[in-house]
Amino acid sequence: AQSVTQPDIHITVSEGASLELRCNYSYGATPYLFWYVQSPGQGLQLLLKYFSGDTLVQGIKGFEAEFKRSQSSFNLRKPSVHWSDAAEYFCAVARSNDYKLSFGAGTTVTVRA
Amino acid sequence: DAGVIQSPRHEVTEMGQEVTLRCKPISGHNSLFWYRQTMMRGLELLIYFNNNVPIDDSGMPEDRFSAKMPNASFSTLKIQPSEPRDSAVYFCASSGPGQGGRGANVLTFGAGSRLTVL
Repeated sequence: AQSVTQPDIHITVSEGASLELRCNYSYGATPYLFWYVQSPGQGLQLLLKYFSGDTLVQGIKGFEAEFKRSQSSFNLRKPSVHWSDAAEYFCAVARSNDYKLSFGAGTTVTVRA
Repeated sequence: DAGVIQSPRHEVTEMGQEVTLRCKPISGHNSLFWYRQTMMRGLELLIYFNNNVPIDDSGMPEDRFSAKMPNASFSTLKIQPSEPRDSAVYFCASSGPGQGGRGANVLTFGAGSRLTVL
């Protein structure tokens, strides 16, 4: 079964600084990869997804992620964070054409002024 | 589109009581998922419906949990009797077929139902 590891439980970043959240997956073939964001008291919102093709994918809210097969990684980045980016971020993986998503444990991002 | 609608948003009940959580998926979506989120276990898939049919209920904790989807626009998750360890946030999510079948993976989540069992 596929699994997802988000090594960082909590990250604090200054407003305007860059952000990178790490995600590593365990799966034999090319997976479908996702990043979701959860604001306090809210459901999860899809930031971006990778199915195939260009390994650098752009998402909403200025986020991007890069699929690196050699490292089994799908790290999320944003060049300049805003206070509104404070939230919990989840990486998820699915086998191709499989409905079942496996979520990482999440990374909480705190943005300081 | 109003998105995935869940009710109630918050539920506080006493141990032993029946709890019913409700979900209205996005119109046109043919897949529906119930997830549970806790600090200890993270996000867990409880059950998956496709075209109103339960396909995978292997994540349902025990017989106290049941889920139904009587039509394409409504699903319920019932806990009877409830226990304190059922306290969690329960999410409903839906997805459509999309292109090449990949849409099934692109979930839209509701805002969740926070359940507290005393």
